[in-house]
Amino acid sequence: DAGVIQSPRHEVTEMGQEVTLRCKPISGHNSLFWYRQTMMRGLELLIYFNNNVPIDDSGMPEDRFSAKMPNASFSTLKIQPSEPRDSAVYFCASSFWENEQFFGPGTRLTVL
Amino acid sequence: AQTVTQSQPEMSVQEAETVTLSCTYDTSESDYYLFWYKQPPSRQMILVIRQEAYKQQNATENRFSVNFQKAAKSFSLKISDSQLGDAAMYFCAYRSADNDMRFGAGTRLTVKP
Repeated sequence: DAGVIQSPRHEVTEMGQEVTLRCKPISGHNSLFWYRQTMMRGLELLIYFNNNVPIDDSGMPEDRFSAKMPNASFSTLKIQPSEPRDSAVYFCASSFWENEQFFGPGTRLTVL
Repeated sequence: AQTVTQSQPEMSVQEAETVTLSCTYDTSESDYYLFWYKQPPSRQMILVIRQEAYKQQNATENRFSVNFQKAAKSFSLKISDSQLGDAAMYFCAYRSADNDMRFGAGTRLTVKP
């Protein structure tokens, strides 16, 4: 298996633009997680899905952030409009129920 | 909400020596999981070791072992025979039974040759 796949690996955009981050979990995993990592706040859980259903989105910072999981093999995290303070590394991770999470390589987002 | 505390922002160890990284957590749950993840400069998050709260026996993975003290809510990581490749950020993580995951702030480990 190729592991968790995230795209793009790097994204540079201007304030106000829409940003879409993509994730393909490991085949057979039924839980998917989105995290944000910054120097100031560390690793934060934004939202997670079980069997494609969002379970807890209390970590999503604002209404500008939204996440979807239309099927078991794909998820997106969208920021609209983006702001400079959204600059961070965004990780996607997947697991099979409560087993260990496997992380993707992350997307480094820079909002100018 | 559960919190995870790593009180050591930085640690250093001599190659081949042993080092222990500390982690405490706060929870009212009885069923949960604990993890240590390693993040090298490549920023890839790599699972080092996991511990189920219902297991009394401390988990061990080669040179990595934990000291799990459930009553004290402590979960420290011991790295034996430290190697240069062990240098990284180490994150302690708590996962509840319903999949909510919380990470500590991390400890940066330096290994001196």
